[in-house]
Amino acid sequence: DIQMTQSPYSVSASVGDRVTITCRASQDISNWLAWYQQKPGKAPILLIYAASILQTGVPSRFSGSGSGTDFTLTISSLQPEDLAVYYCHQANTFPYTFGQGTKVEIK
Amino acid sequence: EVQLVESGGGLEQPGRSLRLSCTTSGFTLEDYAITWFRQAPGKGLEWVGFIASRTYGGTTKYAASVEGRFIISRVDSKNIAYLQMNSLKTEDTAVYYCSRQLTETSGDYFAYWGQGTLVTVSS
Repeated sequence: DIQMTQSPYSVSASVGDRVTITCRASQDISNWLAWYQQKPGKAPILLIYAASILQTGVPSRFSGSGSGTDFTLTISSLQPEDLAVYYCHQANTFPYTFGQGTKVEIK
Repeated sequence: EVQLVESGGGLEQPGRSLRLSCTTSGFTLEDYAITWFRQAPGKGLEWVGFIASRTYGGTTKYAASVEGRFIISRVDSKNIAYLQMNSLKTEDTAVYYCSRQLTETSGDYFAYWGQGTLVTVSS
């Protein structure tokens, strides 16, 4: 199985700060990567797919980059509503796997 | 509007069975695969399995943790997909989500999710 490793495990930042989350795949997944946001008690929301394509309706402060094994999700200016857990997900090979999640907190 | 609604969750004893339903609307189910995920309390997301559309033969694939115990099926005429869970284990306790990919050809990026249904396996 492809292992997805996210870092950091959690991040605390102030409103307006730039936040970067990284995700590393244990093998090359090309650009078959998505980022999801999940708020407590809610289903995940697709933010980014194909590593860098912003899903319709997602604020432009979210962006994704990377290919191969190393990927990044960036929130350019953190907002209070961004409080959530963020997961990367590889859609290259079954079984599909997720990173362990990164909890974003507001200072 | 695309909607998926899970139902059928609840409390069940180890070794017993439970069937979850995923009722869909706002799109033609037969054109899409349906994928199931789960999330144990306080834990991350886990892919459970999927069933392909009829175009792709209705093929199913499962995570190793549920292979041989869980069965995914679909009745396109009723706009419903099912997750039959047999030989339940305590470690199957989780919120179960069904989901649909973004478009028919987008690859497995899951833009549409149900609200989830909680399955608790305990004696």
